[in-house]
Amino acid sequence: DIQMTQSPSTLSAFVGDSVTITCRASQTITDSLAWYQQRPGKAPKVLMYRSSSLESGVPSRFSGSGSGTEFTLAISGLQPDDFATYYCQQYHSYPVTFGQGTKVEIK
Amino acid sequence: EVQLAESGGGFVQPGGSLRLSCAASGFSFSDHYMDWVRQAPGKGLDWVGRTRNKANGYTTEYAAAVKGRYTISRDDSTNSVFLEMNSLKTEDTAVYYCARVRGGSSWQLDNWGQGTLVTVSS
Repeated sequence: DIQMTQSPSTLSAFVGDSVTITCRASQTITDSLAWYQQRPGKAPKVLMYRSSSLESGVPSRFSGSGSGTEFTLAISGLQPDDFATYYCQQYHSYPVTFGQGTKVEIK
Repeated sequence: EVQLAESGGGFVQPGGSLRLSCAASGFSFSDHYMDWVRQAPGKGLDWVGRTRNKANGYTTEYAAAVKGRYTISRDDSTNSVFLEMNSLKTEDTAVYYCARVRGGSSWQLDNWGQGTLVTVSS
């Protein structure tokens, strides 16, 4: 199975800050990576797919990059709604696997 | 508008069985693969499995932790996907989500239901 490792596990930031979350795959997954946002008590919502493609309706302050084994999700100018938990997911091969999550907290 | 609604969750004893349903609307259900993803209380997302569409033989894939105990099926005539869970363990306690797989050249889960809670306890 492909293991997905996110860092950091928790991130504290102010509204308006720019932040970056990293996701590493245990083997190459080309660009078969998605990012999800989950607010407390809610279902996850997809933000990015194919590593760097923005899902329709997602604000342009979110961006993704990377290929192979290392990927990043960047948020420029954190908004109050952005304080949530973020997950990466690989869909290169079965079983589909998620990272353990990164919680973005208000400082 | 795409909508997914899970039902069937509840309380079950270890070793018991439960069947979850997911009703879909607002899109061409028969064209899409569908996934089940679960989330234990306070934990991260855990992929359970997938059913492919008719064009791909309705074949299925499962996570190792549930293979042999869980069965995913679908009924395109009622736009529904099901998760049959047997030999349930306490570690299967989670919110279970159904999700639509985008398909085409990208495979993200682009729409999710609200989830249904399964509690396995004696």
